[in-house]
Amino acid sequence: GQQLNQSPQSMFIQEGEDVSMNCTSSSIFNTWLWYKQDPGEGPVLLIALYKAGELTSNGRLTAQFGITRKDSFLNISASIPSDVGIYFCAGTSGSRLTFGEGTQLTVNP
Amino acid sequence: NAGVTQTPKFQVLKTGQSMTLQCAQDMNHEYMSWYRQDPGMGLRLIHYSVGAGITDQGEVPNGYNVSRSTTEDFPLRLLSAAPSQTSVYFCASSYDYSNEKLFFGSGTQLSVL
Repeated sequence: GQQLNQSPQSMFIQEGEDVSMNCTSSSIFNTWLWYKQDPGEGPVLLIALYKAGELTSNGRLTAQFGITRKDSFLNISASIPSDVGIYFCAGTSGSRLTFGEGTQLTVNP
Repeated sequence: NAGVTQTPKFQVLKTGQSMTLQCAQDMNHEYMSWYRQDPGMGLRLIHYSVGAGITDQGEVPNGYNVSRSTTEDFPLRLLSAAPSQTSVYFCASSYDYSNEKLFFGSGTQLSVL
């Protein structure tokens, strides 16, 4: 089946640093999504990308839909303690939604 | 507006016991689904429903049953719990099947001893 390889698996950063994480696949996806899961809660949608090459921002978050349609990245600028959590990428191909394994982000104040 | 509500928040079962995880949404969403989350494996789809009376299997359906008698409710049943079903379970909904913008519940932490 389709797989999304998300990296890194975990990150430990200092408050104020920028963060970058990405997802890659051997398959083409029609949509890329990025979700954030706060501790003890369900994932919440951060950004949705619909076109190859699309670059979208949501506050300090920026995500891009790779031009090959096989990858996407998420950047967080000037991290703050509330950015801590698990970030999931997800992609759709036809009717199927596939999630990456997640990136655990820890922000040290 | 409560969104997606899951109960219970935590549950401990013995091997062989059965139970039902409840999920309700008040957004009139047609699509509802159940995922399990295991360390290093992301979210895996168990079962889903595209509308009342319609259910289908996802990626990991074995050991679980679902039903969708109303638009609002989508319970997940464990028929005979096994330790391999220890996981965090999330219910999610979206406006329709083509809408990938899922709204998730807050999860049920299940331990099977």
